Amino acid sequence: EAGVTQSPTHLIKTRGQQATLRCSPISGHTSVYWYQQALGLGLQFLLWYDEGEERNRGNFPPRFSGRQFPNYSSELNVNALELEDSALYLCASSLGDGYNEQFFGPGTRLTVL
Amino acid sequence: GDSVTQMEGPVTLSEEAFLTINCTYTATGYPSLFWYVQYPGEGLQLLLKATKADDKGSNKGFEATYRKETTSFHLEKGSVQVSDSAVYFCALSDDFNKFYFGSGTKLNVKP
Repeated sequence: EAGVTQSPTHLIKTRGQQATLRCSPISGHTSVYWYQQALGLGLQFLLWYDEGEERNRGNFPPRFSGRQFPNYSSELNVNALELEDSALYLCASSLGDGYNEQFFGPGTRLTVL
Repeated sequence: GDSVTQMEGPVTLSEEAFLTINCTYTATGYPSLFWYVQYPGEGLQLLLKATKADDKGSNKGFEATYRKETTSFHLEKGSVQVSDSAVYFCALSDDFNKFYFGSGTKLNVKP
């Protein structure tokens, strides 16, 4: 069974640009979670999507947004990139609302120059 | 708000030593508690979990007990191996399925 996949593996952008990160959950999983793992700061919860809807978001500015598609894959968009946005962005999936066991993808390393 | 605090690392041990990584939490409601492990160059993997007070999660020789009275979920292993070298994250999920992770503890096991 294929695990959670993320693309691209690495992404380099300059300040002010937009970044789009993609995630495909495990087959049969309807929930997708996004996290930011900045160096030395652990994981910070960004967004949770389930059945196409945003269910919860962490303490991040509105320039962090996303969506979930009918096939349950998801996109994370970061607008007006800042240097501090450089981090590893992790996606996780679960069976859905009420199932709290998450399976993580390998992450996308975003570097903002 | 809810939060997780875990001991800072790195923790360096010799092979076969006893491991404890402390984790305490603050939560309203009835959270579930988790330990995740991140091996070098890989994503996070669920190591073990406990969903209610006094539950003990265990896997691969690791165990942790959900202690409501001390709001703790300490990770222990009786005899570590070099292959256990990784970063360990304590986490909780609240009643709304929102996750909170600790900052991670790096474990180095030397032969």
